[in-house]
Amino acid sequence: NAGVTQTPKFQVLKTGQSMTLQCAQDMNHEYMSWYRQDPGMGLRLIHYSVGAGITDQGEVPNGYNVSRSTTEDFPLRLLSAAPSQTSVYFCASSYEGVNYGYTFGSGTRLTVV
Amino acid sequence: AQSVSQHNHHVILSEAASLELGCNYSYGGTVNLFWYVQYPGQHLQLLLKYFSGDPLVKGIKGFEAEFIKSKFSFNLRKPSVQWSDTAEYFCAVNPLNTGNQFYFGTGTSLTVIP
Repeated sequence: NAGVTQTPKFQVLKTGQSMTLQCAQDMNHEYMSWYRQDPGMGLRLIHYSVGAGITDQGEVPNGYNVSRSTTEDFPLRLLSAAPSQTSVYFCASSYEGVNYGYTFGSGTRLTVV
Repeated sequence: AQSVSQHNHHVILSEAASLELGCNYSYGGTVNLFWYVQYPGQHLQLLLKYFSGDPLVKGIKGFEAEFIKSKFSFNLRKPSVQWSDTAEYFCAVNPLNTGNQFYFGTGTSLTVIP
């Protein structure tokens, strides 16, 4: 059971480039979310999904897009990377709501130069 | 503004010392409460959670937390820390009236000296 798998683990982008951070879970979780972790700011919610075909914005959605075409996958797209998007990104999933707590992926460390 | 506050940003303890990390939140209404731990270079792992019932909850690795509703607090405790407890600890709140919204504190970095 792989849990939540994120790829890549590390990425360096130039300003203006676009890319997709991949997230997949094999636990049949309905809820999936993307967070960014910045020093001194904890984790901030970017986007989340309550099921296939349903997504919504979190605290800091600007500059990011998501889609949820399947239960398993929840990719995060950076449309035009900016240095302010340098961060560690975590994908998380949960079964039947957040009451069970989230299972987190191992993270993607993104640097935008 | 609604928030989750962890007042201790960095705590340094010697092995066998007792630990208490503070967490306060400002959300009204019913909340679910969580503590997560992030060991160096790793992802967040659930340490313990509170939904309802006994306000003293026990988690993994000897950690426990007490929910005090009147103080909007959910402090994390451990009677005797070990070097392996060196990590960052995050308090998180899920206000039930926000559905899937999950708010994290800024984290407390714990360093345990052998």
